[in-house]
Amino acid sequence: EAGVAQSPRYKIIEKRQSVAFWCNPISGHATLYWYQQILGQGPKLLIQFQNNGVVDDSQLPKDRFSAERLKGVDSTLKIQPAKLEDSAVYLCASTSRTSAAEQFFGPGTRLTVL
Amino acid sequence: AQSVTQLDSQVPVFEEAPVELRCNYSSSVSVYLFWYVQYPNQGLQLLLKYLSGSTLVKGINGFEAEFNKSQTSFHLRKPSVHISDTAEYFCAVSAPQGAQKLVFGQGTRLTINP
Repeated sequence: EAGVAQSPRYKIIEKRQSVAFWCNPISGHATLYWYQQILGQGPKLLIQFQNNGVVDDSQLPKDRFSAERLKGVDSTLKIQPAKLEDSAVYLCASTSRTSAAEQFFGPGTRLTVL
Repeated sequence: AQSVTQLDSQVPVFEEAPVELRCNYSSSVSVYLFWYVQYPNQGLQLLLKYLSGSTLVKGINGFEAEFNKSQTSFHLRKPSVHISDTAEYFCAVSAPQGAQKLVFGQGTRLTINP
């Protein structure tokens, strides 16, 4: 069974530019999460989807971050415009009802904003 | 709201020595508890989890953890570590239903010295 796929693995941009990350969850997983992991900290939830609906986006900076999961499968997270403090690893995770609460993580996208 | 405190940011240990990584949590409701490991430039991998039942939980790679409700702790232990255990370890909690977001601690960097 393939794991959670993310691309790109690395991205370097200038501040005020835009960037997008892509995530393809494990097949059949209805729940998808985006976490932000700043260097030296634990991951923090940005947004949670159940199928194509948003369950929790309370910690998503909506003035610059957006995310979508149009067909309930893969998802895109966008930052526009980026700030220096957005430098972090963006992790995508997925789970299903049969996963017994375990979330499966992708390798992450490391974003550097200069 | 839930929170997690990992009491040590770094733990250096000699190879084949025992190790304990400490985790305390705060929650007004019952919780699920998790330990994840993150190797360099990789996503998070589940080591073990406590959902209910026996308070001593065994995981992969010889790790185990004990849930202590009265002390709100979930410390991770291994009787004999190997060089390959060098990684970042994260304790996390979630609400006790499926597909809930994870709240992570700050992480503990375990360094194994030969």
